[in-house]
Amino acid sequence: DPKIIQKPKYLVAVTGSEKILICEQYLGHNAMYWYRQSAKKPLEFMFSYSYQKLMDNQTASSRFQPQSSKKNHLDLQITALKPDDSATYFCASSQPGLGPLNQDTQYFGPGTRLLVL
Amino acid sequence: GDSVTQKQGQVTLSEDDFLFINCTYSTTTYPTLLWYVQYPGQGPQLLLKVTTANNKGISRGFEATYDKGTTSFHLQKASVQESDSAVYFCALVATGNYKYVFGAGTRLKVIA
Repeated sequence: DPKIIQKPKYLVAVTGSEKILICEQYLGHNAMYWYRQSAKKPLEFMFSYSYQKLMDNQTASSRFQPQSSKKNHLDLQITALKPDDSATYFCASSQPGLGPLNQDTQYFGPGTRLLVL
Repeated sequence: GDSVTQKQGQVTLSEDDFLFINCTYSTTTYPTLLWYVQYPGQGPQLLLKVTTANNKGISRGFEATYDKGTTSFHLQKASVQESDSAVYFCALVATGNYKYVFGAGTRLKVIA
């Protein structure tokens, strides 16, 4: 059974619209992340949440808003979509380490491929 | 800031060839270094991980050595198979951090 579920697998949107990308993890992890992968850039960190609190936001645009309704959910709302937002968005999760040197592995979901026309 | 460089965009080999994928990194910390593999239509999967506590990681016939002197973390495999065809990403996470910094990826194609 998949441990990290991302829905939908594919998404086509028109410029200016709003979409929500869903992520659920069943690994019992307390930290969740969003990354973006496009043809122009490698896998790029966007957000991290720990115990449902935002820890880091590396996304310049406020059009991207993570939403965590439950400990194992971290959805990504994208508003005013632009063609440049076309990419594959990956959700990941990990168990926060016990100390700064204990970096636990991040596990990635299968991704949502977004195409903005 | 932290960065990871993979200069080889694509590598094409025949089965049983030796694989070497170059990865160098730049950071002011002592990072954890990782290799992820991504198959078509899937998310990246951890291949191996090395911390400052150990120099070498080995998994599924792949190995990578953490070289602080040359700030390199090259991936090697003695004999590749067609099933190894995938994209390989080198990544680092700085000490006390959780943000993974990925290289551009190297697409490996193995011809039977």
